Amino acid sequence: DIVMTQSPDSVAVSLGERVIINCKSSQTLLYSPNNRNYLAWYQQKSGQPPKLLIYWASTRESGVPDRFSGSGSGTDFSLTISSLQAEDVAVYYCQQFSVDHSWTFGQGTQVEVK
Amino acid sequence: QVHLVQSGAEVKKPGASVKVSCKASGYSFTGNYIHWVRQAPGQGLEWMGRINPYTGDTDYAQKFQGRVTVTRDASISTAYMELSSLRPDDTAVYYCTRSFYANDYWGQGTLVTVSS
Repeated sequence: DIVMTQSPDSVAVSLGERVIINCKSSQTLLYSPNNRNYLAWYQQKSGQPPKLLIYWASTRESGVPDRFSGSGSGTDFSLTISSLQAEDVAVYYCQQFSVDHSWTFGQGTQVEVK
Repeated sequence: QVHLVQSGAEVKKPGASVKVSCKASGYSFTGNYIHWVRQAPGQGLEWMGRINPYTGDTDYAQKFQGRVTVTRDASISTAYMELSSLRPDDTAVYYCTRSFYANDYWGQGTLVTVSS
């Protein structure tokens, strides 16, 4: 199975500051035939199911604020929150949804307000 | 509007099996995979497996091979996840989730508690 490793495990920043979460996969997530990276990001608030934020590494899901952005290709990816809002406090997960028959999540990154 | 509604909480003894249901509405059930993801208390998300509701084909995470079975009844737009030989560390919230590209809609979760 592909292993997904996120860093850091937790981060605390002041409101309005930028947050960057990294995600590294053990195998490339770039599928050459369509040049897409099979990488998604989710937000999970306490007591709720996860919410899809970004797929194809950088495509924002409908309704997701544009302060959330994804980047990267191959094995290295990032989620950026450009200006942290109070409602962004949550755990964030990356996920590979590759053409392989097994999907996996990273271990999660807790984002808090300093 | 897409909805995935799961069955209620379960309490099971070690060694037993549990079967959780997930009823879909608001879209064509056979058009999207249904996945099962679990989350132990205070822990991260763990992908368990998926089913193609049109063909019935399944894929499972290696960790759960032989212990998990995902099925569906397309006539009632419902998917099922059965986990056998339950252990205390199977205590978790179990989610069903649909995939379009990634997992775009999620059920509310079903708490399964395994305790003697």
